[in-house]
Amino acid sequence: AQSVTQLDSQVPVFEEAPVELRCNYSSSVSVYLFWYVQYPNQGLQLLLKYLSGSTLVKGINGFEAEFNKSQTSFHLRKPSVHISDTAEYFCAVTEGGSQGNLIFGKGTKLSVKP
Amino acid sequence: NAGVMQNPRHLVRRRGQEARLRCSPMKGHSHVYWYRQLPEEGLKFMVYLQKENIIDESGMPKERFSAEFPKEGPSILRIQQVVRGDSAAYFCASSPPTRRSYEQYFGPGTRLTVT
Repeated sequence: AQSVTQLDSQVPVFEEAPVELRCNYSSSVSVYLFWYVQYPNQGLQLLLKYLSGSTLVKGINGFEAEFNKSQTSFHLRKPSVHISDTAEYFCAVTEGGSQGNLIFGKGTKLSVKP
Repeated sequence: NAGVMQNPRHLVRRRGQEARLRCSPMKGHSHVYWYRQLPEEGLKFMVYLQKENIIDESGMPKERFSAEFPKEGPSILRIQQVVRGDSAAYFCASSPPTRRSYEQYFGPGTRLTVT
């Protein structure tokens, strides 16, 4: 069965520092991978997605992620964070050919301090 | 172009009452997914619907929960005889008919509190 593990529940970081939010998945078939961001009391906004092709995916707000099939990982990175990046980040996966329902990790709360 | 709309945004119900959550997908979208987010948890898939059809309800609790997406009007998630454990944020997402990108657009959620 599919599952998604986000290894860090909270990540504190100073403004302008780099950040990496980790995500590992388990699946025996081809997958599509997503990162969503959730600001307090709001819905989820898509940051980026991997469907096929280049394993380095660029998203909105300066974020990028790299798909690593051998390590079944899809870590999210940003070279320099802003206070406004403070939010909760969710990694999600769906299997190719599935009905499309997403399997989410438990989320990582990114806290950017001045 | 309006996004996914959900109402109400906040809903308070006493134990034993019914909760009705509504979701209007983005214009042109014919696929609707419902997810539940419990405190300190990620989102869990509940049900996937197309117009007038339930396609996958494998994530729905067997009792008290039902969903519909009629030909006209919003999708409805209905919870009968609510219990405290139903307190959560319920999110709806929609996707276009082709779904080739598997991209889902989320609404702002309904936060249900059962007292």
